[in-house]
Amino acid sequence: EAQVTQNPRYLITVTGKKLTVTCSQNMNHEYMSWYRQDPGLGLRQIYYSMNVEVTDKGDVPEGYKVSRKEKRNFPLILESPSPNQTSLYFCASSFGSLAVARELFFGEGSRLTVL
Amino acid sequence: DAKTTQPPSMDCAEGRAANLPCNHSTISGNEYVYWYRQIHSQGPQYIIHGLKNNETNEMASLIITEDRKSSTLILPHATLRDTAVYYCIVRVGSGGYQKVTFGTGTKLQVIP
Repeated sequence: EAQVTQNPRYLITVTGKKLTVTCSQNMNHEYMSWYRQDPGLGLRQIYYSMNVEVTDKGDVPEGYKVSRKEKRNFPLILESPSPNQTSLYFCASSFGSLAVARELFFGEGSRLTVL
Repeated sequence: DAKTTQPPSMDCAEGRAANLPCNHSTISGNEYVYWYRQIHSQGPQYIIHGLKNNETNEMASLIITEDRKSSTLILPHATLRDTAVYYCIVRVGSGGYQKVTFGTGTKLQVIP
């Protein structure tokens, strides 16, 4: 089954404790991206990647890091989480790059709480 | 980046057509309009997309004005399961998705 898998789905952590949210897709998609969703603010893009070893900032990259060492994985790293990073996070993937853009496939979301 | 503007909320009677508008007045000639919906806090789901011609699939129809500055998503016979937030986005960049702005969408409430 074609899917985007995020882990963990739910996490409560404390300020400053490094954490990683993993994202994996099984559709051989070139493009992957991370979003955060907060009440009243819609979906905002954090980082995106056009292909392996190619990443770029979205609209709200501060406080986050990403890496794209393999095509299927795109982890989101919070080096020193703060309470303002409490949010619902979504990973998405699609065909892209040189192809006509196709639809984005989203994961089920990861709800993160930073105390 | 081309931005989109949508009404924050709309109601629709069950069984009636739901017409959701979107303004994208700064869209470029090679940019597509995409529609997604999000039910509760699930991951957004693709609905339809188009460039300049009207499009229809099993879920919805997309009407794009001739000047491409606005579009309308039509759900022909809305059901309670269509209650969701609907996002209209414009693909920026060339050769695929790059920076993608979703905005806050339209919250559609289908009323029995």
